[in-house]
Amino acid sequence: AQSVTQLDSQVPVFEEAPVELRCNYSSSVSVYLFWYVQYPNQGLQLLLKYLSGSTLVKGINGFEAEFNKSQTSFHLRKPSVHISDTAEYFCAVTRVSGGYNKLIFGAGTRLAVHP
Amino acid sequence: GAGVSQSPSNKVTEKGKDVELRCDPISGHTALYWYRQSLGQGLEFLIYFQGNSAPDKSGLPSDRFSAERTGGSVSTLTIQRTQQEDSAVYLCASSFDRGANEQYFGPGTRLTVT
Repeated sequence: AQSVTQLDSQVPVFEEAPVELRCNYSSSVSVYLFWYVQYPNQGLQLLLKYLSGSTLVKGINGFEAEFNKSQTSFHLRKPSVHISDTAEYFCAVTRVSGGYNKLIFGAGTRLAVHP
Repeated sequence: GAGVSQSPSNKVTEKGKDVELRCDPISGHTALYWYRQSLGQGLEFLIYFQGNSAPDKSGLPSDRFSAERTGGSVSTLTIQRTQQEDSAVYLCASSFDRGANEQYFGPGTRLTVT
C-alpha cells in the first residue's frame, strides 16, 4: 500500500518570500507523484507531476518540485509567492503498475500568504 | 471546452434519506473517478470507472454506497440511508484513457446530512 505524509498542516509566509511545502511518501512499488492545488470552494487543479526522467519538475504558476528517491520525498517550492497562491496544496501518489490513476493523497498543507 | 461538472453543488438531506450525486465528465474521457473529501479523513478514493465498468470499487466505505456510469459518460453516485458521517464534499474527476494522464476535477458536491 502507498501512503503520503505532508509534514506541515499550515504554512504562513509573507508575499514575495520563498516557500517549501514538504511531502514524503511510502511505497513498496514504484509510484508517480503529483501536486494539486485547491482554491476555496473549487475542485483540485494539477500543479505538476513526476513520472520519470529529470528529478526536477516545473509546473504552473512558477512552482517546481524535486523528486528524491533515496529520501522518498517530493517537496514543492516557489521562489517568490503571491497573495493569489493562498490555497490548500495536496501531494499525491499512484502506482506505476496500476494501469490507472488511483490517487492516494496527503492530508494537505494550507498555504497562507500575507501582505 | 467544458470541464467536469457536478450537480447539485450543495445538498442537505435528513439522516436516513437516499441521495444521488451526478458527474458529467469531459467529453471523450474514458476514465472517471469519485473521491470524498471530509474533515476527518481527508481526500479518499472511492471508485474508478473505465468506460461503463468499475474495475476498482475498493474505496466505497459501505454497501450503502453505489455508483454507475452509463454510455461511457455521466456517472451517478448513490448513497442510501444516509448517515451523519457521510457529510463531506464528493469530488468527481475524469481523464483521457488510463495511466498517469492528468485527472480533471469537478467543483464537487457538498453533502450535509442533518
